[in-house]
Amino acid sequence: QPVLTQSPSASASLGASVRITCTLSSGHTSYGITWHQQQPEKGPRFLMKVNSDGSLNKGDGIPDRFSGSSSGAERYLTISSLQSEDEADYYCHTWGTGTVVFGGGTKLTVL
Amino acid sequence: EVRLVESGGTLVQPGGTLRLSCAVSGFIFSDYSMNWVRQAPGKGLEWLSYISQTSSIIYYADSLGGRFTISRDNAKNSLSLQMNNLRAEDTAVYYCARETGAGPDYWGQGTLVTVSS
Repeated sequence: QPVLTQSPSASASLGASVRITCTLSSGHTSYGITWHQQQPEKGPRFLMKVNSDGSLNKGDGIPDRFSGSSSGAERYLTISSLQSEDEADYYCHTWGTGTVVFGGGTKLTVL
Repeated sequence: EVRLVESGGTLVQPGGTLRLSCAVSGFIFSDYSMNWVRQAPGKGLEWLSYISQTSSIIYYADSLGGRFTISRDNAKNSLSLQMNNLRAEDTAVYYCARETGAGPDYWGQGTLVTVSS
């Protein structure tokens, strides 16, 4: 089954950009993933699907500030023009065979 | 507007049982597969179970050891999770999520289950 690895934390200044990485395990580097945002004390929110070719499918109402990309085993979530409400946990997700896998999450701090 | 509303979370004793529900609206429920996902306090998301549109395909996380059962009633636009032999480590917020085939695209706000004596 695939394993998704995320750095536990990231930080960037208000108005700046940040890139969050999700790394797929060996043998699963062609998988697409989805990104989800979880603001404090709220349920998760689907942001986008990132395919292995870098193509995206974004969720309803997701601002253009949120984008995704792909390189090899890595899938990226880039947030530009950071706002205070972007301070949240970000999770990547994918399907295995008869199972679902989440990354451990990245806590983004907006300075 | 797509809405998913979980209910049924409460305080339950170890070894007890609980049934969670997820009421959906704003979309044709029978067109979508569904998931249950939980989040223990201060922890990340943990997938629990998946059910296809007609309930013909069901998956569970290995960690559940057969204690949980997912079901759905398309006539009532409702998803359920029956939880048996509950343990302290089942304490979590439980979310239902609509599945696109690539991953969840809508989530509920969650319902809190606390397992404690």
